[in-house]
Amino acid sequence: ETGVTQTPRHLVMGMTNKKSLKCEQHLGHNAMYWYKQSAKKPLELMFVYSLEERVENNSVPSRFSPECPNSSHLFLHLHTLQPEDSALYLCASSQGTNTDTQYFGPGTRLTVL
Amino acid sequence: QQQVKQSPQSLIVQKGGISIINCAYENTAFDYFPWYQQFPGKGPALLIAIRPDVSEKKEGRFTISFNKSAKQFSLHIMDSQPGDSATYFCAAKLGTYKYIFGTGTRLKVLA
Repeated sequence: ETGVTQTPRHLVMGMTNKKSLKCEQHLGHNAMYWYKQSAKKPLELMFVYSLEERVENNSVPSRFSPECPNSSHLFLHLHTLQPEDSALYLCASSQGTNTDTQYFGPGTRLTVL
Repeated sequence: QQQVKQSPQSLIVQKGGISIINCAYENTAFDYFPWYQQFPGKGPALLIAIRPDVSEKKEGRFTISFNKSAKQFSLHIMDSQPGDSATYFCAAKLGTYKYIFGTGTRLKVLA
């Protein structure tokens, strides 16, 4: 596989469930990102990891918990979500330089009932 | 001050026409300005990007015009094609990891 992959592509969960989103990059990049994309809103940066260290955490509720076990894998653990958390969750990776390109995965469409 | 304002929200252009999308920012610390293209069911993909010390960059039918004094930049798509129909996002980068995105422009090119 090439590029950035995300699983699952679609997820429906109740507010009391616990689930995890997975992202894998095959580009040899050092940085990985989680974004939330909601309709008619800008992409919201949630978390950034560089070489497995969290370098950005943008006031995201604690019901979202990221994990980066190595530079190729990134997880987003979800628990007790709210309906307003329904959105497209995008993972991206980059080299981690000032003018590098972010490569995005296809996203996970999350619906919270 | 970290916002990037993008307009229009949607745009309809005839095939062969020019599509123009505009973005404005306030924070002069932004140092890299990419544009992304997103098709339904896909993640955003980098289209073209510019640094603030350059006023224009062209790649094929896509051109970024950058006005540092006005803190504005725009994407021009020449000879627009139906295959260009997608959502376009401008972004501004702050430091190594922080990207601020515009709200997106949904472009439809009529055949």
